[in-house]
Parts: sequence; C-alpha cells; structure tokens
Amino acid sequence: DVKVTQSSRYLVKRTGEKVFLECVQDMDHENMFWYRQDPGLGLRLIYFSYDVKMKEKGDIPEGYSVSREKKERFSLILESASTNQTSMYLCASIPGTGGISYNEQFFGPGTRLTVL
Amino acid sequence: GDSVTQMEGPVTLSEEAFLTINCTYTATGYPSLFWYVQYPGEGLQLLLKATKADDKGSNKGFEATYRKETTSFHLEKGSVQVSDSAVYFCALSDLSGNTPLVFGKGTRLSVIA
Repeated sequence: DVKVTQSSRYLVKRTGEKVFLECVQDMDHENMFWYRQDPGLGLRLIYFSYDVKMKEKGDIPEGYSVSREKKERFSLILESASTNQTSMYLCASIPGTGGISYNEQFFGPGTRLTVL
Repeated sequence: GDSVTQMEGPVTLSEEAFLTINCTYTATGYPSLFWYVQYPGEGLQLLLKATKADDKGSNKGFEATYRKETTSFHLEKGSVQVSDSAVYFCALSDLSGNTPLVFGKGTRLSVIA
C-alpha cells in the first residue's frame, strides 16, 4: 500500500524556534511537494522537488526552506517560526514517469503546527 | 496563469439529496482535471480524474465530465451519505510540462442524517 508519512500530526513551537517538518514516501517517487492549508485559502504550494538535491519555489516560499538529500525524504524548514506560520502542512508525492498530468498525487496526513 | 474556481461552501445537505459542486478552470493548454477529497483529520486523496475533453471520471458514486466548451468539471452525486462529509478540491494539471497541480480553494460538504 502506498504511503506518505509525516513526522508529527501535531506540533507546538515558540516564535523564533527553528522547526523541521519531515516527510517520507515509500513509493520511489521523483516529485515531492509541501503545501500549507488554511481556511478560506485552500492549498498553497510552498516548495517542490523533482529529484534529489533539486528544489523549486512554489507560490509562498518566504520564511521556508527545504532539503532533499535522499529520494524518499523531503524536509520543510522554518528557519525562525512566526505566528503567521501557524497552519496545517501537507506533504505529497507523485511519480516522475508519466508526469504530473496523468498520475495520482499521494498526500500525507498533515502536520498541524501551532506557533505561540 | 492557470487557475481553478470552485463554489464556496459550506454546503449542507440531507442524506440522499443530490449534490453538485461547481468547478470552472482557466488554462492555456488542455489540462487534465481532478477532484480530490479530504476526510476529517486526513490528507487529500484522489476521487476521480479526466484527461481529455468529454471524458467522464467516476468513483464511489461521484461523477464529473470534462467540458471544454464551458471550461467546467462539476462534481455530482445522485444520493449523498453522511460518510461523504468532507472537503472537496478541484484541481488541474497543465500538460505543457511537469508543473505542479493547481488547486481550487475547496468546498466543505456536510451531510446530515
């Protein structure tokens, strides 16, 4: 069974802390994505990666960075957490073969981050 | 750029009612179209898709037809159940390259017994 896992379901951090959100997929997918989900705004793409050590900015990359050292793992980093980064964070992956146009994108269960 | 507009919710229906969630899109090429569903406390999962004009995607009693002339991909179900309560997202993928999916803002559906 296909699996995308995220390191935490719930996380509470303080303003200014460095925060790591981890995502692991076991499907050997090339493409991985980080979104944040907020009421009334839907899903917004933060960063994505087409391959190991590659990264591309999404629509809202400010205040975030990412790391992809291994194919199965894609980490989202909040260098200095702020209260406006309180949100639900969703990771997703999709195979490279056949491309995004035709394949199903698989999502993790999400991490609800609260920054105090 | 490409965009997806779907009807705002929340939508509240009684069990066995007919459901329509409207979705229209703007794209420069001929995109693939998707509906994803998010059940409470979970990530999104693919509900159905259509990859060319006039295609009909269907799954779990839900259907949507890719209408190029009206640039629409409305989601329908003839008789909703309480277990269909979820947030529904319309999305498109531009065939011109390996670009990320473009999502609508989501429509929350609540079905009451």
